[in-house]
Amino acid sequence: DADVTQTPRNRITKTGKRIMLECSQTKGHDRMYWYRQDPGLGLRLIYYSFDVKDINKGEISDGYSVSRQAQAKFSLSLESAIPNQTALYFCATSDRRGGSDTQYFGPGTRLTVL
Amino acid sequence: AQSVTQLGSHVSVSEGALVLLRCNYSSSVPPYLFWYVQYPNQGLQLLLKYTTGATLVKGINGFEAEFKKSETSFHLTKPSAHMSDAAEYFCAVSSMPGGGSEKLVFGKGTKLTVNP
Repeated sequence: DADVTQTPRNRITKTGKRIMLECSQTKGHDRMYWYRQDPGLGLRLIYYSFDVKDINKGEISDGYSVSRQAQAKFSLSLESAIPNQTALYFCATSDRRGGSDTQYFGPGTRLTVL
Repeated sequence: AQSVTQLGSHVSVSEGALVLLRCNYSSSVPPYLFWYVQYPNQGLQLLLKYTTGATLVKGINGFEAEFKKSETSFHLTKPSAHMSDAAEYFCAVSSMPGGGSEKLVFGKGTKLTVNP
């Protein structure tokens, strides 16, 4: 079973629609992240959360919002989707408490905004 | 602010040949450096990382990388390429003061093709 899961894996939506991408983890990690990947641009950080009450903007947060419902769940919302938000979205987790500094990635959600 | 430059968006090698993927970084504090691999239709997987100590770091699948502070480089190598190494590779540097991977800054990636 995957430690970091993302739903849905693929989503096609229309401009102006609200959409939520969900991430769940069974690793017991305290820190969670949302990235987007665009061809030729690598991964860019959207939001990150160090614990349930600590949420921070990343490099490209405009047009996105997040919710950390529990330690294991971190959702990304697009309030009004636009075509340039078409991308591959990744959730990641890490655990600072054990001295680890590695981020573990989910399988990704491919989002297309028409 | 930290940044990462990966030289060459596409690299092609023959099976059995040396793999060399280049990464240069910019950081105002001692960096933590990472290489991740992304196989088609999958998420990113950690190959190796440098935090402190030995500058030659060995990772999974026969890959290794050497941290060279004077050259601000962290190039990834593998002596003999295998068909299964075909993937996209990302170099990353931590951006929190003092290191740590809480905020990773990624390079744009290098797609490796292995020819039979």
